[in-house]
Amino acid sequence: DAKTTQPTSMDCAEGRAANLPCNHSTISGNEYVYWYRQIHSQGPQYIIHGLKNNETNEMASLIITEDRKSSTLILPHATLRDTAVYYCIVRVVYSGAGSYQLTFGKGTKLSVIP
Amino acid sequence: GAGVSQSPSNKVTEKGKDVELRCDPISGHTALYWYRQSLGQGLEFLIYFQGNSAPDKSGLPSDRFSAERTGGSVSTLTIQRTQQEDSAVYLCASSLTTGDTQYFGPGTRLTVL
Repeated sequence: DAKTTQPTSMDCAEGRAANLPCNHSTISGNEYVYWYRQIHSQGPQYIIHGLKNNETNEMASLIITEDRKSSTLILPHATLRDTAVYYCIVRVVYSGAGSYQLTFGKGTKLSVIP
Repeated sequence: GAGVSQSPSNKVTEKGKDVELRCDPISGHTALYWYRQSLGQGLEFLIYFQGNSAPDKSGLPSDRFSAERTGGSVSTLTIQRTQQEDSAVYLCASSLTTGDTQYFGPGTRLTVL
């Protein structure tokens, strides 16, 4: 799976949009961009994923650049409960062979400030 | 709908004892994964199941660790003769099929005294 680069930490004011960037310049054509988050002492939580097009669900929006070398996760109205470590990973889906283990990097520690 | 559940949520045991950790995947998910996460560390892959078969056991740290899955549903991770270095949060995830999006349970925090 391709390597990703994320800022170590970010702050966001409560109620504002949180924009979390991720660089994945070596992404392959069949690799998806996935976002998970981990709130302290909880299991990782799936947020969203995409291949080429921008995606939106009830939790967040994912904006992928046209060259697919970077993406941004957007939490439209951050709350204190969104304080967590956010992980961006790129991975092949349905490859038909090999291990499907997830590997998280260090992620971005997002602190939502009241 | 119901997510992945794990039990117990916390387990404290003495060095040398055996422990069993249980995972109930999302209903209908055929793939199931075990990971562990030590304090401040990343995810460490242990094993995954497709149905009741375990095609990849490469992450099991030693022969003290074993896992099984029966009926294509519940899985049990067993650690024999626990050691202090086994202390960690053990996470289970499931996906609709192998390679699909993985959804995690809340984890079991294991402390070996």
